[in-house]
Amino acid sequence: DSGVTQTPKHLITATGQRVTLRCSPRSGDLSVYWYQQSLDQGLQFLIQYYNGEERAKGNILERFSAQQFPDLHSELNLSSLELGDSALYFCASTAHRVSGELFFGEGSRLTVL
Amino acid sequence: AQSVTQLDSHVSVSEGTPVLLRCNYSSSYSPSLFWYVQHPNKGLQLLLKYTSAATLVKGINGFEAEFKKSETSFHLTKPSAHMSDAAEYFCVVSNTNAGKSTFGDGTTLTVKP
Repeated sequence: DSGVTQTPKHLITATGQRVTLRCSPRSGDLSVYWYQQSLDQGLQFLIQYYNGEERAKGNILERFSAQQFPDLHSELNLSSLELGDSALYFCASTAHRVSGELFFGEGSRLTVL
Repeated sequence: AQSVTQLDSHVSVSEGTPVLLRCNYSSSYSPSLFWYVQHPNKGLQLLLKYTSAATLVKGINGFEAEFKKSETSFHLTKPSAHMSDAAEYFCVVSNTNAGKSTFGDGTTLTVKP
């Protein structure tokens, strides 16, 4: 158990809809990362927050947004969903501002029909 | 700039035989290097890390990796494969100066009985 909690574990929705994925980092970790993993694109870095502030941005679509709250949990919002957004979305946390030593949650599997 | 290349997308070994998963990296700075393992439908788990101490790094489950600066490599090895080692493995290069981590495309390890 990494200590990172993601909800929901599975989500099925329709095209055009909006969903919110939630991540609770390990106790004390200030950094939260979001990744998307799909069969055709592999593991893609989306965005990172550190202590409530956006720190780094990767291949995140404009239809996607995220935030980190004062209690350090984070949410990833996906809107106007398309079939291609079906993927496993991972959250990872670390205590440091920048680190490759990440602790991953078990992911939220999103299926868009 | 930094990048990481996992030289094999798939590796197949027999149970009890050695495992070698190859990773080459490039980095403008002294990098930190990591190997992660992902079992099916699970999050990524840290196997081992190199952060400029000993060049031979031991990790969990009998895995180890050797940092070779002259060859810009960080190959992952295990003397004897076990069925439970079947998973996807990711090599990661991280650079605190550049402020980012870069994941390789992954190597799928199959272990045959």
